[in-house]
Amino acid sequence: QVQLQESGPGLVKPSQTLSLTCTVSGGSISSGNYYWSWIRQPAGKGLEWIGRISTSGSTNYNPSLKSRVTISVDTSKNHFSLTLSSVTAADTAVYYCARGINGYSIFDSWGQGTLVTVSS
Amino acid sequence: DIVMTQSPDSLAVSLGERATINCKSSQSVLYSSDKKNYLNWYQQKPGQPPKLLIYWASTRESGVPDRFSGSGSGTDFTLTISSLQAEDVAVYYCQQYYSSPITFGQGTRLEIK
Repeated sequence: QVQLQESGPGLVKPSQTLSLTCTVSGGSISSGNYYWSWIRQPAGKGLEWIGRISTSGSTNYNPSLKSRVTISVDTSKNHFSLTLSSVTAADTAVYYCARGINGYSIFDSWGQGTLVTVSS
Repeated sequence: DIVMTQSPDSLAVSLGERATINCKSSQSVLYSSDKKNYLNWYQQKPGQPPKLLIYWASTRESGVPDRFSGSGSGTDFTLTISSLQAEDVAVYYCQQYYSSPITFGQGTRLEIK
């Protein structure tokens, strides 16, 4: 049973860069036909897909965030990462990592989520 | 972007009764080559991540009770809970994966009447 766990700073200052890591356990991040995604949810609001990386390393980003987002994978550490630059208060949210199965964005496994607050 | 619109925004149903949540996409999510609808349903309880219930619009995820069912095609979809249980209180989301960016509905809050 694969498990995902987000980690990273809970507080980021405006204009700085948010960096989060999702560690995958119970399976190899580089095997299988999976997409590894980041999704966020502001408090009391809905879900916004940020982007994804495939097991081959190809990426897709939400155009609304594309200029500020990078998703990368480190197969040696079995984790993938999110960086979001030039953050503002609007980036305050719970950030989830999730696995998309069978080469599709069918999110069958999620991390518990980590709250990132953007504030000075 | 494909806009996903759910209705209603909130719903109160008595225990044991049927609950129906609708989801409409701004364009078809039916892929002509494989005849599949690229539509998922999730359940989210407070303080928890979303949980996959239904994929391909009508395929129940392993371990999901059979009181949950999905239907619809093209642009109009429905999640039905045939007999509401107390543990079904949650927010439900639809999500399309037909095209990037992946988008979610705004959510429907389901409560007990």
